[in-house]
Order: sequence, then structure tokens, then C-alpha cells
Amino acid sequence: DQQVKQNSPSLSVQEGRISILNCDYTNSMFDYFLWYKKYPAEGPTFLISISSIKDKNEDGRFTVFLNKSAKHLSLHIVPSQPGDSAVYFCAASGRGTYKYIFGTGTRLKVLA
Amino acid sequence: DVKVTQSSRYLVKRTGEKVFLECVQDMDHENMFWYRQDPGLGLRLIYFSYDVKMKEKGDIPEGYSVSREKKERFSLILESASTNQTSMYLCASSLVLSLYGYTFGSGTRLTVV
Repeated sequence: DQQVKQNSPSLSVQEGRISILNCDYTNSMFDYFLWYKKYPAEGPTFLISISSIKDKNEDGRFTVFLNKSAKHLSLHIVPSQPGDSAVYFCAASGRGTYKYIFGTGTRLKVLA
Repeated sequence: DVKVTQSSRYLVKRTGEKVFLECVQDMDHENMFWYRQDPGLGLRLIYFSYDVKMKEKGDIPEGYSVSREKKERFSLILESASTNQTSMYLCASSLVLSLYGYTFGSGTRLTVV
């Protein structure tokens, strides 16, 4: 049973526009949420995080929104740049556990 | 700069071989993890370790074992490699489970022929 779901395998966006990547989860006990970015042949790199006590966190062009009632997480990238083209994974974890559960990833392509 | 180093970027092994994937971190992290990444399946946890000589199974441990004799090193062992173990293997470490997440290595692309 997939506890963290990214239902869009791919997304194409024009350079300068907003990219919105979505993530749904089923476990209401999840407390921490992360987004990772992964380029081919490289390991994932941490992008941004949010805890369940907040509903928004911003870091430059990246903003993560958390809707706890809907069990939904989204990552907004504004403005999108060609260098943002990568696979994005969301991940979730419960308090007191050692591990994050990852979604299946969304491949973002930013068109110049 | 903190680092997680995986010993090989690319590896080709024959079916039935015993395969060792090595991972070393220089951050004094307690927790270390092995994931595999497959298209459409995302990152799936194979094993993790929260202390030296301690290990726990992840979601897909069958066909794998691990070893953690020293804090900085976490090895993944494929006891008898099979073609369905062809994948990208990612090692990660973390200090505490929190908003800092993991630091990942660059990955090992393993092909079993």
C-alpha cells in the first residue's frame, strides 16, 4: 500500500512559469515532509521541508504547502528555470521513526 | 562539505554472484539507509541501521543483507545476484530524523546479466 503518492509521473512547464508538483499521503501520523530533487546518475538532494505544525514554508523560488485535512502536499517553483528539470520526490515521516517514505517521483521538464 | 560516498558508480555482475556495495559517510551520523530506485516505483527502502551492528529490514529486504561494523560504513550485500536486482542503489545517512532529512550518496547503477 503506497502511503505517499505522486500521481503525476511527469510535468512540462514553460520557462518563467510556475511549476506545481503534488503529493498525497494516507497516514495522518506523518509529521515531517520533505522534497528532494534528483538529476540522472546523481543522488537525490534535499530541497525543502515542512513540519505538520506549519502550512507553508518558503525558500527562494521554492514554496511547500501542506494541507493536513486533505493530506496533500505541494511544491511550487516560481519562476521555473531549465536547470529545475529533474525528478522530484516527496517524502514523509512520523515522529519517532527513523525512516522517510518516498513517493514515486514526478519528472519535471522546464522548456526554454 | 559533508559526504556520503558509494564505492562504485557503475557495476556489472553475473547472475548468482555475491555482490558487495559499500557506503561510507564522514558526518558521524547514527542512521544509515540503503534504497533502490526503479522507474515508476520511486525510492524503496531495503535496510537501515540506527547504530553500529544494529539493522532493521525495510520494505524490500528479500535477497539482500547488510553489515555495519563501524559507524561510518554500511555495506549492502546481494547474496546471489539476480536480474531483477538490476537497479540504482542509493545509500543515505542522517543524524536525527527531522526536517533535515537524509544526505544521499551519488548512487551505484548495478546491472546483473
